[in-house]
Amino acid sequence: GAVVSQHPSRVICKSGTSVKIECRSLDFQATTMFWYRQFPKQSLMLMATSNEGSKATYEQGVEKDKFLINHASLTLSTLTVTSAHPEDSSFYICSARQAGTTYNEQFFGPGTRLTVL
Amino acid sequence: AQSVSQHNHHVILSEAASLELGCNYSYGGTVNLFWYVQYPGQHLQLLLKYFSGDPLVKGIKGFEAEFIKSKFSFNLRKPSVQWSDTAEYFCALFPFSGGYNKLIFGAGTRLAVHP
Repeated sequence: GAVVSQHPSRVICKSGTSVKIECRSLDFQATTMFWYRQFPKQSLMLMATSNEGSKATYEQGVEKDKFLINHASLTLSTLTVTSAHPEDSSFYICSARQAGTTYNEQFFGPGTRLTVL
Repeated sequence: AQSVSQHNHHVILSEAASLELGCNYSYGGTVNLFWYVQYPGQHLQLLLKYFSGDPLVKGIKGFEAEFIKSKFSFNLRKPSVQWSDTAEYFCALFPFSGGYNKLIFGAGTRLAVHP
């Protein structure tokens, strides 16, 4: 089946540094990838939609300059949290929608837990 | 605006009890509906999905859900739960509209099954 991986699974960084999270579709091509943020005991909040070869579309309230998204190929999207602060600590999850399908199923990655000290 | 409402935030059951988790959505147009499960420490996995056709859909691990269009509902059911069903369950809506074509998640229901 369709598998999405994320790297790293956990990252701890100092305040003010930048962190890059990778999302890969391992056995399919994804024209669209999504980045979510999940706070403890809460639902997934969509941050942005990433389309291969074009600029990401950010949800209201999400800072574009803080959360940089790049979708350079059909199998890779990256999220860079720039100048991270403790309030950015969260669980970040990506998902991918398979190219060429007529339905709208998304496959989710295992998530990346970011802790900013 | 489109939204998904999961009525039960926390459900506690004993093994072999029957399960029904409520999910209602607000959107008048065509929809795809999903139930995802997140086991402790694991990523979201698809339990089942509704695109069209038979409103009673069967998923993995003995789960099923019924799409009732008139009630805007997509409740998840399992006749007999197991301890291994302990997880968080998310209902999600994909509304077909000219604007917002993205998954909308409910707040989730945390299920604890006691042996």
